[in-house]
Amino acid sequence: KAGVTQTPRYLIKTRGQQVTLSCSPISGHRSVSWYQQTPGQGLQFLFEYFSETQRNKGNFPGRFSGRQFSNSRSEMNVSTLELGDSALYLCASSLSRGEAFFGQGTRLTVV
Amino acid sequence: AQRVTQPEKLLSVFKGAPVELKCNYSYSGSPELFWYVQYSRQRLQLLLRHISRESIKGFTADLNKGETSFHLKKPFAQEEDSAMYYCALLVSGGSNYKLTFGKGTLLTVNP
Repeated sequence: KAGVTQTPRYLIKTRGQQVTLSCSPISGHRSVSWYQQTPGQGLQFLFEYFSETQRNKGNFPGRFSGRQFSNSRSEMNVSTLELGDSALYLCASSLSRGEAFFGQGTRLTVV
Repeated sequence: AQRVTQPEKLLSVFKGAPVELKCNYSYSGSPELFWYVQYSRQRLQLLLRHISRESIKGFTADLNKGETSFHLKKPFAQEEDSAMYYCALLVSGGSNYKLTFGKGTLLTVNP
């Protein structure tokens, strides 16, 4: 079974730009969550989607948004990028409560 | 508010020594706790969950509700246990839930 796939693996963007990250979950997994990982803050929950609906949202500004498609693939968008948005963005899919399968992440660098 | 605290950022032990990675939580609901591990150049993955009360790779963790702790223990550390360990709390509200992670402990097992 293929694991969670995130694309692209690396991105460099300029302040003020926007970016879209993609996540393909494990086949059959309908729940997809996104996390931001930084050395100082660790893993912080962004949002979770289930069957195309956002079920839960973390404490991030409205510049961070996401969506899920009917095939469970998910995208995350960050608009008006700031230097502080530089981080590893992790996507995880799950079938059962608490057991998350993580992708390898997208490393976003904002310059 | 829910919170997971891992007091040690770094923990270094010698091979064969016992190891204990500390995790404390704050949560008003019924806690469901997990340990996730990230080995070098690998994805974050589930190590164990308190509900299953199992031992994985020689690691065990017991939920102590009185002390609000979920420490991870192994009697004899191995070099291959060197990794980043994250304690996580499942925060739920009806069908909505999210994992709240601690900031992690980097375990180094020296030969």
